Amino acid sequence: AQRVTQPEKLLSVFKGAPVELKCNYSYSGSPELFWYVQYSRQRLQLLLRHISRESIKGFTADLNKGETSFHLKKPFAQEEDSAMYYCAYKGNTGKLIFGQGTTLQVKP
Amino acid sequence: EPEVTQTPSHQVTQMGQEVILRCVPISNHLYFYWYRQILGQKVEFLVSFYNNEISEKSEIFDDQFSVERPDGSNFTLKIRSTKLEDSAMYFCASSEERYGYTFGSGTRLTVV
Repeated sequence: AQRVTQPEKLLSVFKGAPVELKCNYSYSGSPELFWYVQYSRQRLQLLLRHISRESIKGFTADLNKGETSFHLKKPFAQEEDSAMYYCAYKGNTGKLIFGQGTTLQVKP
Repeated sequence: EPEVTQTPSHQVTQMGQEVILRCVPISNHLYFYWYRQILGQKVEFLVSFYNNEISEKSEIFDDQFSVERPDGSNFTLKIRSTKLEDSAMYFCASSEERYGYTFGSGTRLTVV
């Protein structure tokens, strides 16, 4: 079954510390993976997708097919990064399968 | 930047009543979706819609649910005979092709 796992419900770090939000997936076929961010009471916003290999707001994510992971990283967390982060997998049919989400809390 | 608009932002309804959640997708997008998020749980796929018909639906999307694109701009989700467990945040999304969703800000449905 297609599944996305985000093992941490809450990740709390101090400002300036490195951040890694974990995401593992199980799939059949060619995966397309995304990270979405949801700031307090706002809409889900696309942060990254593995195809574009870009860096947004200092975040990067590398698809590791051997470990079936797509962890989100940022070297120096900022307070404005505090939000809910969702990893999502898109299969051949186009629907997104979301992980449970990780709340990132960046303390001053 | 174009947005997906959802109305209302919050709807309270009595159990057994019908509700219609409305969405205005981005105008040149061709694929439309509904997702829901029960409080404290993950975002779940409900249905996708393309070329004026449902292209895929989840097991959640039973006969109680229906979608429609009545006038070429709106995309609606109707829930008949609402149950307490239908209380959730409902997100509409659209995409130009099969990549790059844009989500709306959601409608919080509370069934009492």
